[in-house]
Amino acid sequence: GNSVTQMEGPVTLSEEAFLTINCTYTATGYPSLFWYVQYPGEGLQLLLKATKADDKGSNKGFEATYRKETTSFHLEKGSVQVSDSAVYFCALSDRGGYQKVTFGTGTKLQVIP
Amino acid sequence: DAGITQSPRHKVTETGTPVTLRCHQTENHRYMYWYRQDPGHGLRLIHYSYGVKDTDKGEVSDGYSVSRSKTEDFLLTLESATSSQTSVYFCAISEGADSSYEQYFGPGTRLTVT
Repeated sequence: GNSVTQMEGPVTLSEEAFLTINCTYTATGYPSLFWYVQYPGEGLQLLLKATKADDKGSNKGFEATYRKETTSFHLEKGSVQVSDSAVYFCALSDRGGYQKVTFGTGTKLQVIP
Repeated sequence: DAGITQSPRHKVTETGTPVTLRCHQTENHRYMYWYRQDPGHGLRLIHYSYGVKDTDKGEVSDGYSVSRSKTEDFLLTLESATSSQTSVYFCAISEGADSSYEQYFGPGTRLTVT
């Protein structure tokens, strides 16, 4: 079946540091890949997505590139802010019936001033 | 904003009592989902619906049932709540095109079973 593995947290960074959160996946076929963000006390929000190999998703300074050869979709940001502190979830959708999504376990990011 | 609301937002109940959580959407989405979120597990799918009266089980469906009698409402019922069902429950809808479907989430319901 499908699975998503992402790095354990928490990740603690100083403001303006470079961020990488690793994500790898296992799926049949050609899944779509997503990063979601969850701020404290809220539901998940879609951050970015990529639908085919070599696509780069980007939003709010975050980027991730769909790497089929390494089955990876790592999240990066060049300069994090305190307001980026949240839990980040990598996810995939295998385009099959019922539009189901498989989520990773989440990585908590804490950015300190 | 996908127009998803959940009620109640917080609930404390006793072991053995029935509990129903409601998800309401305003944009006529066909697909709806119930997840639970627990530390170390991410989000796990409980049940999903692909239309009125059409539902199916997810990966952690034991102890839960669902109903969808109207497009806009998807109900999750814990027939006899147990402490292991203490969790945060999220409802989601799916939308998209070209086989790329994104899910949008409600604000969640925090359920505590004592």
